[in-house]
Amino acid sequence: GENVEQHPSTLSVQEGDSAVIKCTYSDSASNYFPWYKQELGKRPQLIIDIRSNVGEKKDQRIAVTLNKTAKHFSLHITETQPEDSAVYFCAASSPLTGGGNKLTFGTGTQLKVEL
Amino acid sequence: DVKVTQSSRYLVKRTGEKVFLECVQDMDHENMFWYRQDPGLGLRLIYFSYDVKMKEKGDIPEGYSVSREKKERFSLILESASTNQTSMYLCASGRDRRSPGEQYFGPGTRLTVT
Repeated sequence: GENVEQHPSTLSVQEGDSAVIKCTYSDSASNYFPWYKQELGKRPQLIIDIRSNVGEKKDQRIAVTLNKTAKHFSLHITETQPEDSAVYFCAASSPLTGGGNKLTFGTGTQLKVEL
Repeated sequence: DVKVTQSSRYLVKRTGEKVFLECVQDMDHENMFWYRQDPGLGLRLIYFSYDVKMKEKGDIPEGYSVSREKKERFSLILESASTNQTSMYLCASGRDRRSPGEQYFGPGTRLTVT
């Protein structure tokens, strides 16, 4: 089955700096890669996603890149703000033989943006 | 606005008890999922369902079962709770089994088994 590894597990940056979180996946058939943000005590929420036919996607201060050959994808946050402090999860969606898809999550990155 | 609700935010049960966790979504989504979240382990899929009466095992189904009698409701059952099932349980729903897309999460149930 799919295996997703995520690094680093914790990341501390100064406000205004950039933050990068990296993930690798194992199943070459995976075709959808979402990123979820979970603030303390809240539910995970999708912040950006990318499909396997696209190499990069940007939404304001957030961007995601995908390298299918190397099987890795990354989240980039620019001009970080205190409200970016949260746990971020990457995930990979792999197709199932019976139809449908299954998400496998990484282990999460605790991002702390310091003033 | 998608709404996924879970029956309890906090639950304390004794070892050996049968535990029911319920999840309801109001957006007519086909897909529903149960995950458990533990520090350092991320979200791990327990069971999922693409249709009423249908269920599929996820990555860690041992000790759990599920029920989907109605499209909007997906229940997770711990037949005989054990202390290693103490965790945060998250339910999620998604639109379409044919194309992967956003999953919408419930607020979670923090279960403690003593």
